[in-house]
Amino acid sequence: DVKVTQSSRYLVKRTGEKVFLECVQDMDHENMFWYRQDPGLGLRLIYFSYDVKMKEKGDIPEGYSVSREKKERFSLILESASTNQTSMYLCASSPRAFGVLGETQYFGPGTRLLVL
Amino acid sequence: AQKVTQAQTEISVVEKEDVTLDCVYETRDTTYYLFWYKQPPSGELVFLIRRNSFDEQNEISGRYSWNFQKSTSSFNFTITASPVVDSAVYFCALTTSGNTPLVFGKGTRLSVIA
Repeated sequence: DVKVTQSSRYLVKRTGEKVFLECVQDMDHENMFWYRQDPGLGLRLIYFSYDVKMKEKGDIPEGYSVSREKKERFSLILESASTNQTSMYLCASSPRAFGVLGETQYFGPGTRLLVL
Repeated sequence: AQKVTQAQTEISVVEKEDVTLDCVYETRDTTYYLFWYKQPPSGELVFLIRRNSFDEQNEISGRYSWNFQKSTSSFNFTITASPVVDSAVYFCALTTSGNTPLVFGKGTRLSVIA
């Protein structure tokens, strides 16, 4: 079974703190993704990565950065946390698709971040 | 641009009734994949099904069935509801090429009453 783990289920931080959210997958997947989920807005893509040291901006990258130094690990960084970054953060991974059709993304359990 | 619309925000049904969750998608690509995910109260998104644009065959799996109709750009999901396991938020999603991210609908919250 594919397993995607996230470092924390719940996190409380103060405004201005630097926050690291870690995601690890154990299936040797090339692709990894970070989404945030907010009521009424669904899931929105923050950043994704096709390979080690590669990253692509998603729909809402402002205020975030990412790091992918190893294939299995994809970190989301909030350089200076703000209250509007209070949200549920979901990490996902998928194998590289050879051809035009996409592969299934598998999700971690999510991190509920509260910024005070 | 791709778009997924789940018009139903919340639905309540009585146990053992059938309920259909609607999903309408927009894309100009002729090749694409559609997905359904389930998010129980624990928060993790659980993959349910993937369907590619070349395969319009409907699928049944136990209490679940899916109806894919390209003519109406819809990929609807029908459940014969069971309270404990089916109360959740359900997301429909779309991807149109090899390694691009999914585009999600906003989800439908299903509450099943015993």
